[in-house]
Amino acid sequence: DGGITQSPKYLFRKEGQNVTLSCEQNLNHDAMYWYRQDPGQGLRLIYYSQIVNDFQKGDIAEGYSVSREKKESFPLTVTSAQKNPTAFYLCASSLRTANTGELFFGEGSRLTVL
Amino acid sequence: DQQVKQNSPSLSVQEGRISILNCDYTNSMFDYFLWYKKYPAEGPTFLISISSIKDKNEDGRFTVFLNKSAKHLSLHIVPSQPGDSAVYFCAARFSGAGSYQLTFGKGTKLSVIP
Repeated sequence: DGGITQSPKYLFRKEGQNVTLSCEQNLNHDAMYWYRQDPGQGLRLIYYSQIVNDFQKGDIAEGYSVSREKKESFPLTVTSAQKNPTAFYLCASSLRTANTGELFFGEGSRLTVL
Repeated sequence: DQQVKQNSPSLSVQEGRISILNCDYTNSMFDYFLWYKKYPAEGPTFLISISSIKDKNEDGRFTVFLNKSAKHLSLHIVPSQPGDSAVYFCAARFSGAGSYQLTFGKGTKLSVIP
C-alpha cells in the first residue's frame, strides 16, 4: 500500500540529546513537510522540501535540522538546541504541483523529553 | 499573528443534526482552503477542499462554503454521526515561488452525541 511511514511512533529522550525521526513515503511525491502539533496549537510548519537536496525553513525551524538526500526520505533531527521538544511530530507529502494543495500525513511520532 | 483562525475550540452536536464548523482567515493571497479530520495519536486525513474561485463544494455529507468578502469558510456535516467525533482543522494554501505551504488553524473538537 502507498503511504507515509513515520518511526518511531513513541520516543523518549534525555535532555541534551539529539534525536532523529524517520519519514519515508512511497507515493512518489516531490514535496515533503514536517509539522509539530502541541495541545491547542494546531499544526505548525518546521521544515519543508520541494525537491531532493533542497529544503526551506518553516515557521518554527529553530532547534531542528533536516536532510533530503532521497526523494522518498525526509528525516528530522531534533537537536539539543530545541528548548521545548516534547510534542507530536507529523510528516506529510504532496505532489509539487498539487491542484488542491492536499497533504498526505503519516501517523505521527510522539517525542517526550525526560 | 494567526492567519487562519478557528475560534471555537469545541462543539457538541446531537447525532442526526447538522454540525457547522467555522474558520476565518486574514491573508487574501490564499488560493485553496482545506479541511482535515484528526483522531487522537493519528495523522490528519484530508476531508474536503475548495478553491478560492468557488463558493461551495459538496462531497456526500460534507459541504464547505467560502465567503471571500468576509474571509470566512465553514464546514457543514449533515447528518452528523458519532464517527464524525474528531478534531477538525481548517487549512489555507499559499502558493508562491513555486512552492506550496499550508497554514493550519488550531482546530475544533467535534463531539457527536448519540
